[in-house]
Amino acid sequence: SYELTQPPSVSVSPGQTASITCSGDELGDKYVSWYHQKPGQSPVLVIYQDTKRPSGIPERFSGSNSGNTATLTISGTQAMDEADYYCQVWDSTAAVFGGGTKLTVL
Amino acid sequence: EVQLVEAGGDLVKPGGSLRLSCAASGFIFSDNYMSWVRQAPGKGLEWVARIKTKADGGTTDYAAPVKGRFTISRDDSKTTLYLQMNSLKTEDTAVYYCTTGSVPAAFWGQGTLVTVSS
Repeated sequence: SYELTQPPSVSVSPGQTASITCSGDELGDKYVSWYHQKPGQSPVLVIYQDTKRPSGIPERFSGSNSGNTATLTISGTQAMDEADYYCQVWDSTAAVFGGGTKLTVL
Repeated sequence: EVQLVEAGGDLVKPGGSLRLSCAASGFIFSDNYMSWVRQAPGKGLEWVARIKTKADGGTTDYAAPVKGRFTISRDDSKTTLYLQMNSLKTEDTAVYYCTTGSVPAAFWGQGTLVTVSS
């Protein structure tokens, strides 16, 4: 079965750029979605089809996908961006999530 | 405004059954694929199942751990999504979320807690 690998944790200072990676075999051939989830809340879609932002998601969220790695970039990170982040793809007949990355803003 | 309201979560013994429902509003339900995603306590997200629209055949897909035990279905007249869960195991304990679409899952409900324990 297909697997997506994310770093367990990433730390960033307020105002700096955070990058969260998601790795998988030939990932660049698939569309990647990204979600964030704050404690006690439901996940929220922040990026879909590698680079697109849903309505209401700030421009500081961007995505890229090439080769075996997709990256979620948060520019000018704010304290409110502290959350768990998950990547996701569709593979054959199933959706797959990465294990999640805890973003700490300190 | 899109609303997804899950219900039916409960405490059930191993081997038991449970049916979850998800009442949808604020969008054209019949035009959307729908999915269930779960999250075990303190763990990450796990996709469970997807159902296509009737126009696309209404076919279903399942994650390997639930295939043969869970059944996803939809009632477009009631704009409601269901998940019938049989032969429940302790490892099925999780919050179950209803979502629009599959990849991406654009909108999520608040979740309903299923606890499988003796």
